Formats: sequence, C-alpha cells, structure tokens
Amino acid sequence: ETGVTQSPTHLIKTRGQQVTLRCSSQSGHNTVSWYQQALGQGPQFIFQYYREEENGRGNFPPRFSGLQFPNYSSELNVNALELDDSALYLCASRKGLAGTDTQYFGPGTRLTVL
Amino acid sequence: QQQVKQSPQSLIVQKGGISIINCAYENTAFDYFPWYQQFPGKGPALLIAIRPDVSEKKEGRFTISFNKSAKQFSLHIMDSQPGDSATYFCAASRDNAGNMLTFGGGTRLMVKP
Repeated sequence: ETGVTQSPTHLIKTRGQQVTLRCSSQSGHNTVSWYQQALGQGPQFIFQYYREEENGRGNFPPRFSGLQFPNYSSELNVNALELDDSALYLCASRKGLAGTDTQYFGPGTRLTVL
Repeated sequence: QQQVKQSPQSLIVQKGGISIINCAYENTAFDYFPWYQQFPGKGPALLIAIRPDVSEKKEGRFTISFNKSAKQFSLHIMDSQPGDSATYFCAASRDNAGNMLTFGGGTRLMVKP
C-alpha cells in the first residue's frame, strides 16, 4: 500500500450539486496533487498544493478548488457538478517539490454525476 | 490538448514475450519521463523514470528507451508475465522531479499464460 488514503471510495451526485473529496497523505509528505481520470483515459492534472499553498494548476475551471491543511491532508471541492465531472479522482503525495522522492497515488474516489 | 500520445491502446503478449509501449511528446520543455502501472481499483504506481540526459534506463525486466531528437520514448517489458497484466501510462513533467504530470492515454496490457 502507498500510505495515501482517499474518502469516500464511491460517490453519486446529481448535476448542479457540490462535492468534497478528501485525501490523507503519508506522514511528512507536504506536497499533494489532484488528478481527474475519466474512464479509459489517462489522469489529468488538476492542481498541486505545497505547504498549504496552491503552486500549480492544470486546465480546469475555478469551480474546481482545493485546500491543504496543516497536517498536509487535502480536500478537492467541485461546485456546480456537470455530467462530464464523472471520473476517478486521484490524489498523490510526496515529500517536497524537488529531488527524486517518489510521488505516491491513492486508490481514488469514483464520482458519478447523474 | 493531448501533449503526450501513447500507443497502442491495447496489447496482448504471450508469457515470456516482450511488451513494447510507445509514447511521443510535443513540449520540448518536458524534463522528466516516468512510466506508471495501474491495476484495477488502484491508483497508478511509479514503475521506472528517465531524464533526457540519458538514452536508456533499465530496472530489472523494465527498460525505457529515450530519443530526444524524435521526442519519443518507449517502455520495454522483457519476459512478460501474467502478473504484468495492467494498464500502463507514460507521462511527462516540465520539472525534473515529476510534479504536475501530463499523462498519455494508457495501454491495457494482457499477458496470456
């Protein structure tokens, strides 16, 4: 196991609703990234947090937002859900930004938007 | 836009054979090229990675070949085993530490006993 946990495992929402997904990193991992993986596709980078500050963002609209807490756990919030938001949401954590330390992915949260 | 293109989408190999997956990238600012393995119900796991200052890297049965001028890199799995059956993703990042990855579309590998 990677030591990265995500909750919930599965989630069903309806269009227009809001959702919060959670990620618990390995101890000491102060960098967390979130990815969206649509069915049958590769993960797409949403954003990255380092020491509670967003330090990089992919091509996602502002209704995708996040938080990183002092204990380095993290949340992904999505407002005004759309059908195309249905996907597996992955978080990944690592220690720092540089060097050869590996980034570890959690098992993901499967979000279905009806 | 898809900045990393991966092929084939699926691959069937006999046990003991060689599996080859190819990727091509467009952005010359990419500086780190990892391969990830993903099993059903799991997140991707780093398999092997290469930086553009070398043309080949080998770890056990897994080898990355890298062609900077052609902007292409490939994964070779020697002596493929049924346990290697998984989805493989190539990726690239603009820093040399693997942050903010751009992934390819994935290759579903099946190794037949």
